[in-house]
Order: sequence, then structure tokens, then C-alpha cells
Amino acid sequence: GDSVTQMEGPVTLSEEAFLTINCTYTATGYPSLFWYVQYPGEGLQLLLKATKADDKGSNKGFEATYRKETTSFHLEKGSVQVSDSAVYFCALSDPPPGYALNFGKGTSLLVTP
Amino acid sequence: NAGVTQTPKFQVLKTGQSMTLQCAQDMNHEYMSWYRQDPGMGLRLIHYSVGAGITDQGEVPNGYNVSRSTTEDFPLRLLSAAPSQTSVYFCASSLAGATDTQYFGPGTRLTVL
Repeated sequence: GDSVTQMEGPVTLSEEAFLTINCTYTATGYPSLFWYVQYPGEGLQLLLKATKADDKGSNKGFEATYRKETTSFHLEKGSVQVSDSAVYFCALSDPPPGYALNFGKGTSLLVTP
Repeated sequence: NAGVTQTPKFQVLKTGQSMTLQCAQDMNHEYMSWYRQDPGMGLRLIHYSVGAGITDQGEVPNGYNVSRSTTEDFPLRLLSAAPSQTSVYFCASSLAGATDTQYFGPGTRLTVL
């Protein structure tokens, strides 16, 4: 079945450091790919998404590119802030209508001043 | 708009008790779903609904029931609580399916003793 593998945390970075969180997937079709973020004590919220190969999703300085040849969707940010401290989840869904999201286990990020 | 609301925020049950977790959305979304979040496991889909009167099972449906009598509400029932159901439960909604942006509620933290 479809699955998502993301790097284990926790990841600790200093403010203004470069961030990469790796995500690879296994899917039989052509899934849509997502990064969701969970701030402490809150529900998840969509950070960015990409629906087809070579698409780049971006939001709040974060970027991820849908790489079909390497089945990857790595999350990057050039300069992290303390406010980026959260848990980040990579997820995939089957093509529309897509009734289920498959989540990775999550990567905890702590950014220190 | 209140978005997705969940009640209660916290609940403690004894083994064998039953209860209902409430979820409501005011965005006129057709698709609603329930996930459980366990440490090191990411989020796993319990049940989902593509519209009023239509529900289906996700990855981990055993021990849970759902119904969807209105577009707004999607309650999750625990029939006979077990310690293995100790978890954080999230309800989510979207316009049409998992490929659309999911809007998550704040979660219910359930402990079964």
C-alpha cells in the first residue's frame, strides 16, 4: 500500500540555519503530496502541497518539490525562526477524489535563539 | 467562521465505558474524517465521510462507529473503551476529499484507564 517515510527527529537548529526535512513515498498511482505543520497544542494545518511531478509548493518561506524520479518531497527553508518550532508531517493522497491521507510519523523541529 | 470544532478537549474513561466525541464544521464541507495520533505513529485514519448519509472505514476502524446525519456534524463513538484507544483524536474537513486542504480541529485527548 501507499506509505510515507520521513526523517526522524527531533531536529534542533539555531535561528537562521538552513532546514531540510526528508520525505520519500511509495505509491502505486500519481498521488498528491502535502506538508502539514502542527504547532504545540494545536491541530494540523496545511503548509504546502503539490499535485503533480515537478510542481513546487511554497508557503511562509518553506518549499518542497515533487520529484517523481526519486519519489521524494523534501521540505526546505533557507532561514528558520524560533516560531517555526513545530512538528512537520509529510503526507500523500491518491489522485482525486482521494479519500484518505497517509501521513508520515512526523519530524519535531526545535529552533533555538 | 468557527472552522472545525471538537468537544470535549480532554476526557478520561474507564475500560468498557462508551462515549461520543463531537465534531462540527461550519464551512459546508462535504468531506469529513477522524484521525488518531499516537506517539511515533503519525496520524492514522479511523473513518471518513464524503457527504451526509455516507461513511466508510479507514485504516484503524475497529472499536469505533460513525454516522453523518447532517453536513455539519460527524460524531465518533467509542462503543466499549479500551486502554489501546488512549490517544489524541483529530477531526478534519475539506471541500471534496483528501486532495483538498484539510482543516483540522484542535483535538480531543482521551485517556482510557
